[in-house]
Amino acid sequence: DAKTTQPPSMDCAEGRAANLPCNHSTISGNEYVYWYRQIHSQGPQYIIHGLKNNETNEMASLIITEDRKSSTLILPHATLRDTAVYYCIVRPPYTGANSKLTFGKGITLSVRP
Amino acid sequence: DTAVSQTPKYLVTQMGNDKSIKCEQNLGHDTMYWYKQDSKKFLKIMFSYNNKELIINETVPNRFSPKSPDKAHLNLHINSLELGDSAVYFCASSHSGSYNEQFFGPGTRLTVL
Repeated sequence: DAKTTQPPSMDCAEGRAANLPCNHSTISGNEYVYWYRQIHSQGPQYIIHGLKNNETNEMASLIITEDRKSSTLILPHATLRDTAVYYCIVRPPYTGANSKLTFGKGITLSVRP
Repeated sequence: DTAVSQTPKYLVTQMGNDKSIKCEQNLGHDTMYWYKQDSKKFLKIMFSYNNKELIINETVPNRFSPKSPDKAHLNLHINSLELGDSAVYFCASSHSGSYNEQFFGPGTRLTVL
């Protein structure tokens, strides 16, 4: 799997948008960008994934640059409950049961009141 | 509720003992995983099973033996526990025919004294 690099931490104010960056300069053409998060003392939670088009779901938006070397996860209105470690992961699509997730250090998002 | 569940949530034991952690998913998934999160918070794949067949074994000591009695269950048995086995163990499941969104359990915190 291609490696990703994320800043170690960031914070944002409650109610504001949180923009979490991720660099994946060695991403291959068929690799997707996935985002998971881990709230303290809980298991990781899937957020969103994308290939090259921007994606949006009820949790977040994913913006992938045209060259696909970086992406940004956007939480449009961060709440205190969004405080967590966010992991950006790149991996091929549908690798069946060989589909392990390779977690890096992630970025710790702290949402302040 | 549909979910991935693990028992026990906490496990404290002495070195040298044998213990088991149980995992069940009622999501109808055909693939299950065990991940280990150490004290530095790195989350690493240990095993994956697809339809009760071992697919991934990430150079885990053979003191760790996963067992999948059916597609909905993947248990982890650990023999001769060592101090270094202290960690949080997460079970996860997914459908192999999708983009492999993985659903994680709440984790089992194992402490070896």
